[in-house]
Amino acid sequence: EPEVTQTPSHQVTQMGQEVILRCVPISNHLYFYWYRQILGQKVEFLVSFYNNEISEKSEIFDDQFSVERPDGSNFTLKIRSTKLEDSAMYFCAITSGGNTGELFFGEGSRLTVL
Amino acid sequence: AQTVTQSQPEMSVQEAETVTLSCTYDTSESNYYLFWYKQPPSRQMILVIRQEAYKQQNATENRFSVNFQKAAKSFSLKISDSQLGDTAMYFCAFSAHFGNEKLTFGTGTRLTIIP
Repeated sequence: EPEVTQTPSHQVTQMGQEVILRCVPISNHLYFYWYRQILGQKVEFLVSFYNNEISEKSEIFDDQFSVERPDGSNFTLKIRSTKLEDSAMYFCAITSGGNTGELFFGEGSRLTVL
Repeated sequence: AQTVTQSQPEMSVQEAETVTLSCTYDTSESNYYLFWYKQPPSRQMILVIRQEAYKQQNATENRFSVNFQKAAKSFSLKISDSQLGDTAMYFCAFSAHFGNEKLTFGTGTRLTIIP
């Protein structure tokens, strides 16, 4: 079963600062996803990333967000200038590659913007 | 756009009893996929069960089963012989595309199993 490690587990930052959240799959995968869960609300799709390109993004994923896979293994989500409303849990997910529809989620990174 | 509604924010049940979590959805797609994910206090979401809309037979996975009513757009999760380890948030989710797992989630049901 694929495993996903996310760092940091919790980050506190000042409004306007840049934040980078990292996702490291244990094995090699081509499909990556980022989801966000604001406290007490539903989990929301942010972006999907396939073969080093964004394949789909939601309306939440505006110009302050970016994703990349800088070294071929880590998958990062960057928030350029954080806002208070960016405070949330951010989940990275991967597929198994077996076309089962199953997503494997990391434990999440909690971002708190002050 | 698809929507997923879970009308039970919280539920609790005695250990060993059976509990049913409700989920309804709205879509214009004819073929799609439905999922129940479990999020225990450790935060990592785990797939509990999946259902392909073209399959009439309800999916089952050990103590977990679904009641999929396509016409009613209803997808409930039944947990039989509930165990303390079932305590978690349960999210119903919808996907219109296999292989591009853009999931639409419901708001979740917090389930507590009482010893």
